[in-house]
Amino acid sequence: GDSVTQMEGPVTLSEEAFLTINCTYTATGYPSLFWYVQYPGEGLQLLLKATKADDKGSNKGFEATYRKETTSFHLEKGSVQVSDSAVYFCALTASRRALTFGSGTRLQVQP
Amino acid sequence: DAGITQSPRHKVTETGTPVTLRCHQTENHRYMYWYRQDPGHGLRLIHYSYGVKDTDKGEVSDGYSVSRSKTEDFLLTLESATSSQTSVYFCAISEDGPSGNTIYFGEGSWLTVV
Repeated sequence: GDSVTQMEGPVTLSEEAFLTINCTYTATGYPSLFWYVQYPGEGLQLLLKATKADDKGSNKGFEATYRKETTSFHLEKGSVQVSDSAVYFCALTASRRALTFGSGTRLQVQP
Repeated sequence: DAGITQSPRHKVTETGTPVTLRCHQTENHRYMYWYRQDPGHGLRLIHYSYGVKDTDKGEVSDGYSVSRSKTEDFLLTLESATSSQTSVYFCAISEDGPSGNTIYFGEGSWLTVV
């Protein structure tokens, strides 16, 4: 079945550091890939998405590129802020049009 | 933003009692979903619906049932609540679009079974 594997957290960075959160997937067919963010006490918000190989999703300084050859969709940001502290979920949709999530990675950014 | 309202937002209930969570959407989206979120597991799909009266099971459907009698409402019922069903429950809807299957989430319902 479909699955998503994310690096375990928490990831702790200083402000303005470079961020990478790894995500790899297993899926049949040609999934769409997503990153969602969850701030404390809130629901999930769509951060970015990519629907086909080599697409790059971007939003609020975050980027991720759909790499079919390595089945990866790593999240990156060049300079993190304290306000980026949250839990980040990698996810995919395939044949059932339902999201399959990774277990989430908590990011803590220190001033 | 897709208009999604979950109710109740917080509930404490006793083991063995039935509980119903409601998800209401103001859009006219065909697909609706119920997920639960637990530490270390991310979000796991309980049930989903692809139209009125059309539903299917997800990966953790045991102990849960759903109903969708109207496009805008998707109900999740715990027939006899257990402590293992203490969780945060999220409703989501799927917005069809040219760039793929984007799914939007409600704010969650915190359920505690004591």
